[in-house]
Amino acid sequence: KAGVTQTPRYLIKTRGQQVTLSCSPISGHRSVSWYQQTPGQGLQFLFEYFSETQRNKGNFPGRFSGRQFSNSRSEMNVSTLELGDSALYLCASRRVENTEAFFGQGTRLTVV
Amino acid sequence: QKEVEQNSGPLSVPEGAIASLNCTYSDRGSQSFFWYRQYSGKSPELIMFIYSNGDKEDGRFTAQLNKASQYVSLLIRDSQPSDSATYLCAVNQGSNYKLTFGKGTLLTVNP
Repeated sequence: KAGVTQTPRYLIKTRGQQVTLSCSPISGHRSVSWYQQTPGQGLQFLFEYFSETQRNKGNFPGRFSGRQFSNSRSEMNVSTLELGDSALYLCASRRVENTEAFFGQGTRLTVV
Repeated sequence: QKEVEQNSGPLSVPEGAIASLNCTYSDRGSQSFFWYRQYSGKSPELIMFIYSNGDKEDGRFTAQLNKASQYVSLLIRDSQPSDSATYLCAVNQGSNYKLTFGKGTLLTVNP
């Protein structure tokens, strides 16, 4: 059974640019969550999608957005990149809420 | 008050010893609890989950949950150097669909 797939694995962007990250959940999983991980802040919740609906959003500026498609694949977008957006972005999929979440390999974003 | 708290460590134990990792949470409505292991430069890997009060054992790992005290722990028996990693406690808080993580405890197992 294939795991959670995130693309790309690594990205280098310049301040002011925008970026789109992709996540394909485990087959049959309908919930996709996104997290930002930095050494100082740990894992910070960005948002969660279920059946194409955003059900919860973390405390991040509006520059961070996401969506989910009918096949449960999800994308997150960060516009007007700042140096502080450099982080590991992790996607996790769950079958339904309250069940185990499985993480993808992550996308390492570096903003220069 | 932080939602999920863990001792940051580092926690250092000798090979073969029991490592004990602790976590407290603030939301009494929390329903499910998870332990993840994260090696440096890698993504978190689920190692245990527990939904009911009491103990749950899986191989060398035991998760313990006490909802009255809002406390969850992970015991690692016969610790191995390969267990050296950061251990993250995660709590599903009620029905808000959000999995909240502690900042993790760095465990080092010395040969």
